[in-house]
Amino acid sequence: EVVMTQSPATLSVSPGERATLSCRASQNVDTKVAWYQHKPGQAPRLLIYGASTRPAGVPVRFTGSGSGTEFTLTISRLQSEDFASYYCQQYNNWPPYTFGQGTKLEIK
Amino acid sequence: EVQLLESGGGLVQSGGSLIISCAASGFTFRSYAMSWVRQVPGGGLEWVSGISDNGDATYYTDSVKGRFTISRDNSKSTLSLQMNSLRAEDTAVYYCAKERIFGGFDPWGQGTLITVSS
Repeated sequence: EVVMTQSPATLSVSPGERATLSCRASQNVDTKVAWYQHKPGQAPRLLIYGASTRPAGVPVRFTGSGSGTEFTLTISRLQSEDFASYYCQQYNNWPPYTFGQGTKLEIK
Repeated sequence: EVQLLESGGGLVQSGGSLIISCAASGFTFRSYAMSWVRQVPGGGLEWVSGISDNGDATYYTDSVKGRFTISRDNSKSTLSLQMNSLRAEDTAVYYCAKERIFGGFDPWGQGTLITVSS
């Protein structure tokens, strides 16, 4: 099973600033990584697939990068609606699909 | 609009059974693999089970193998999860999600809460 490890667990950033979230895979997952935004009481939302591709409708301030075992989600110019939890997920070696434990992005 | 709507959650005693369902609309259901993903209270996301587009292949995480059964009815655009021998650690919000052909899950339903009391 591929273990996905996210850091930090909690990140405090001011609105308008940049947030950088990290995700490490325990083995090579190529670029088969997705990122999700999750707010309490809502459905998780796909932000990035293929490590760096944004689906239609996702703002350009969300940028994914990385390959192999190291991945990053960068959110530039944070807006109030961006404060949420974020999860990475690998789909290269499955089953099972595996998620990171999440990063909670808080307002500083 | 693509929509997924879960139903069937609730309170069940440890060792009991429950079936949850997911009604899909707005897309060609029979063309996509589907999955169930759960979130335990205060925890992260955990993939539970998946099923191929035609239902011929099913997959489970180790902790639910032999207890949970995923199924689908493509004529009714419905996904189901039969859960037996429920344990306290199965307490979670269960989401159904459509698997994208190019990776990732999108969209997700709003989730249904299952509470297993001991």
